[in-house]
Amino acid sequence: DAKTTQPNSMESNEEEPVHLPCNHSTISGTDYIHWYRQLPSQGPEYVIHGLTSNVNNRMASLAIAEDRKSSTLILHRATLRDAAVYYCILRDADYGGSQGNLIFGKGTKLSVKP
Amino acid sequence: DSGVTQTPKHLITATGQRVTLRCSPRSGDLSVYWYQQSLDQGLQFLIQYYNGEERAKGNILERFSAQQFPDLHSELNLSSLELGDSALYFCASSVVPGDTEAFFGQGTRLTVV
Repeated sequence: DAKTTQPNSMESNEEEPVHLPCNHSTISGTDYIHWYRQLPSQGPEYVIHGLTSNVNNRMASLAIAEDRKSSTLILHRATLRDAAVYYCILRDADYGGSQGNLIFGKGTKLSVKP
Repeated sequence: DSGVTQTPKHLITATGQRVTLRCSPRSGDLSVYWYQQSLDQGLQFLIQYYNGEERAKGNILERFSAQQFPDLHSELNLSSLELGDSALYFCASSVVPGDTEAFFGQGTRLTVV
């Protein structure tokens, strides 16, 4: 039941920026936009999340469109270690209800070339 | 290291058997989630617990059950195992559901033969 749309795969060159797009046209006002990635043979790991404003952390930046119907995960300098499947997920902040779960879609498989 | 511990790492069992997978969440996390990842299905949400209570169910089969104990660790019980249950089972935890990040364990690889 993923409510996001991502490209199946993308390629990047090492040390170049990568922009991973995500469309979420049915996003609700209480949905946070989360990004996770899954490296080969590992569990998913949190990358970044945001609500309305752009966000930066040590791993990446998240650019959120003004209407919140799309977002872009930005890796400023891709490394070989960044090769992974990247998942864009909407997560309801209203944990008083039964939401707040991470529902994974197919994600984008990022390949990084040396 | 995410701080979430799953045991065992690998499990091989026969069809028809029953197994228990264990998850210790990060210290302070009240919410636990279970996921199944198979090659053809991707990451499927199974069930969520929050402070000992079941909060949400996903694609969990009736042969599967889970619980979260007072010390907040969780167990996923899989019974009458079939070949198709072979998969990676991940546990994740977060402080509360919603806007906080979730931390995933390394998973338990279950092989049913």
